Amino acid sequence: EIVMTQSPATLSVSPGERATLSCRASQSVASKLAWLQQRPGQAPRLLIYATSTRATGVPARFSGSGSGTEFTLTISGLQSEDFAVYYCQQYNDWPRTFGQGTKVE
Amino acid sequence: DVQLVESGGGLVQPGGSLRLSCSASGFTFKIYSMYWVRQAPGKGLEFVAGINNKGENTEYADSVKDRFTISRDNSKNTISLQMSSLRPEDTAVYFCVRENWYFDYWGQGTLVTVSS
Repeated sequence: EIVMTQSPATLSVSPGERATLSCRASQSVASKLAWLQQRPGQAPRLLIYATSTRATGVPARFSGSGSGTEFTLTISGLQSEDFAVYYCQQYNDWPRTFGQGTKVE
Repeated sequence: DVQLVESGGGLVQPGGSLRLSCSASGFTFKIYSMYWVRQAPGKGLEFVAGINNKGENTEYADSVKDRFTISRDNSKNTISLQMSSLRPEDTAVYFCVRENWYFDYWGQGTLVTVSS
């Protein structure tokens, strides 16, 4: 199965700053990469799919980039509601696999 | 609005069985594949099982193969997860998820605790 590795495990940033999260796949997933946000006590929520397409209602401060095996989620101008755990997920192959998460605090 | 509502979680002893259900609304259920994804306490997300739109094809994580069975009823807009031979390591919140290639809608989850 494709192993997804996220870094860093924890990212400490201040409101208004930029956060850059990384995700690496053990083999190419083309552009079939999604990012999910999970706030404490809540279900995950889709943020980005196809590497860079924002899901409905997701603010423009969230952006995704990359291809193949290296991907990045950037949050520009962090707001209080953005402090959460972020997961990357590949859907290029079975089984669908997730990264272990990056906590933005 | 798309809604996925899970039910059936609870406390069960090791070796026991439990059946989870997910009721879907707000979309044309019969055209989407559906999945169960779990999250152990304080841990990340793990794919558990998936079923295609017609219920013809299923997929399981190795950790649950031969113990869990996923099914669906397109006439009732529901999916189920029959879990047997439960182990303490199956303790988790189980989420019902819709697939649109990526996992685009998630239920709130139901907690399964396996403990004596």
